[in-house]
Amino acid sequence: DAGITQSPRHKVTETGTPVTLRCHQTENHRYMYWYRQDPGHGLRLIHYSYGVKDTDKGEVSDGYSVSRSKTEDFLLTLESATSSQTSVYFCAISESTLRTPQETQYFGPGTRLLVL
Amino acid sequence: GQNIDQPTEMTATEGAIVQINCTYQTSGFNGLFWYQQHAGEAPTFLSYNVLDGLEEKGRFSSFLSRSKGYSYLLLKELQMKDSASYLCAVRADSNYQLIWGAGTKLIIKP
Repeated sequence: DAGITQSPRHKVTETGTPVTLRCHQTENHRYMYWYRQDPGHGLRLIHYSYGVKDTDKGEVSDGYSVSRSKTEDFLLTLESATSSQTSVYFCAISESTLRTPQETQYFGPGTRLLVL
Repeated sequence: GQNIDQPTEMTATEGAIVQINCTYQTSGFNGLFWYQQHAGEAPTFLSYNVLDGLEEKGRFSSFLSRSKGYSYLLLKELQMKDSASYLCAVRADSNYQLIWGAGTKLIIKP
């Protein structure tokens, strides 16, 4: 299994507070992604990164920002959390390798965020 | 627009065979993935298809027809541990982003 960790695993916060979620990988993969998963929806891409300091927006990026200062770390920040951002957040990584030339995405364990 | 459709829920019996369908309408096609997700856990990779035909991996097989925009995941000799959601995802173009279906929840009954 790919070495991907997320922290915290669970968080309860109040509306209006900033929140930062961390994704850490030990695979040296180039691509990293942040998704949210809500009932009735597929995984929705928030932001992604294609290298250190190279990031771009996904389909649901409003209210979120990201940073990637090192290959292994990808941070997701909710600038001012709202109840609509209550969700499960997954980080994923991918790379084109001999084993996975199709750039399969591998997921971290997820962070459950509750915004009250 | 880009769209992926899967049945919301399916029920099958332990030991039986089940087929989970996925249809897609996307601007392009550069591969289709199936993932398994147990409740409260992360999605895990099952299979990948980019050419038409059947890919077999033990009890699981995945089929693709690009002309029909259609794929299915076939699970044989169902076990209780196969109770999970199954997610279909398409890479629509040459970049690395995926478009995800909402997933099919598979319930296995004894």
